[in-house]
Amino acid sequence: EAGVVQSPRYKIIEKKQPVAFWCNPISGHNTLYWYLQNLGQGPELLIRYENEEAVDDSQLPKDRFSAERLKGVDSTLKIQPAELGDSAVYLCASSLGSWGTDTQYFGPGTRLTVL
Amino acid sequence: DAKTTQPNSMESNEEEPVHLPCNHSTISGTDYIHWYRQLPSQGPEYVIHGLTSNVNNRMASLAIAEDRKSSTLILHRATLRDAAVYYCILRDIPNAGKSTFGDGTTLTVKP
Repeated sequence: EAGVVQSPRYKIIEKKQPVAFWCNPISGHNTLYWYLQNLGQGPELLIRYENEEAVDDSQLPKDRFSAERLKGVDSTLKIQPAELGDSAVYLCASSLGSWGTDTQYFGPGTRLTVL
Repeated sequence: DAKTTQPNSMESNEEEPVHLPCNHSTISGTDYIHWYRQLPSQGPEYVIHGLTSNVNNRMASLAIAEDRKSSTLILHRATLRDAAVYYCILRDIPNAGKSTFGDGTTLTVKP
């Protein structure tokens, strides 16, 4: 079974440029997460989707970050414009559901460098 | 959200058991205890989870204190491939999906 797929794996942009990350979750997984991970720290949740609906986006900086999950499958996370402080690894994860027993499966992440 | 506390780092010798502790004194009755680990340049991967009883799988064992305020991940024979950051997180049923990762424990395995 294919795991969570993310692209690109690496992205280098200049500040004020836009950037987008794509995630394809495991087939059949209803719940999709986007996390941000700074160097030496644990992942921080940005947004969680249940099917097409964003049910927890309280930590998403909405002035510059946006996300969508069309048809409840693939998802895109966008930053516009990017700032130096956005340099981090962006992780996508999926799970069957959001119950306490549901395991999250993570992709390899996209490492963003903003110059 | 209930938080977890883990030591920043631990060391182990290869082939020896490793006990990784986690404190979660504000755990609620419906919180599941999950452990994930993250190898360098990879996303976190699931290790094990439990609610009240101790759990075993092919990767590790999870020992949960009777009052559930702490737990211990046990790697029975550490290998060099077990060197990673280990995260202990809580997943709740009523507000399931909120997995607050701390900074985890960095495990170093010495040959």
